[in-house]
Amino acid sequence: EADIYQTPRYLVIGTGKKITLECSQTMGHDKMYWYQQDPGMELHLIHYSYGVNSTEKGDLSSESTVSRIRTEHFPLTLESARPSHTSQYLCASTYGTSGRAEQFFGPGTRLTVL
Amino acid sequence: KNQVEQSPQSLIILEGKNCTLQCNYTVSPFSNLRWYKQDTGRGPVSLTIMTFSENTKSNGRYTATLDADTKQSSLHITASQLSDSASYICVVADRGSTLGRLYFGRGTQLTVWP
Repeated sequence: EADIYQTPRYLVIGTGKKITLECSQTMGHDKMYWYQQDPGMELHLIHYSYGVNSTEKGDLSSESTVSRIRTEHFPLTLESARPSHTSQYLCASTYGTSGRAEQFFGPGTRLTVL
Repeated sequence: KNQVEQSPQSLIILEGKNCTLQCNYTVSPFSNLRWYKQDTGRGPVSLTIMTFSENTKSNGRYTATLDADTKQSSLHITASQLSDSASYICVVADRGSTLGRLYFGRGTQLTVWP
């Protein structure tokens, strides 16, 4: 069982609300990632971080933003939620520079925007 | 374009039976291929990781094969159990980035019936 945590696990919220999805890991991993996954579809990378104070946008355009102030913490924020943001959000982390390093995933946050 | 295609999209088998899931990819330059198991509502969990030089790798009742020449992989599940019901995702890493860029298939949804 990987030591990577996400809260909340489920969130139902109205349009226009600001939300923050939390992700934390206790493994000391330098690289962290946010993926978006719709039912029956592949995971899409929306944000990643090489380390503290490093954040980059992924392949899938997203209106969300992220921050990496501490190694273990990588929160994702939506300033104004919309129904199109309804999806599952998965956080992951890995270590080092080896391409073989395993990515450990959190349990995900299922977001529903009404 | 880097892609990962999986087949079948879904599969139903009886408990105790074997099954084989397929994965074709076009990712280049190739670094490694991974199979993940994703239970409903959870994050993916790694089953195997194979590099270019590895043809087969086992993890308990799971055996993955890789043919890097034809860019094909398979995951064989032996003596299936009810707990094997999940989505199995083929993931290919490219060698061209320090990010550890992963390309995800859409998964094969396996259902094991008693």
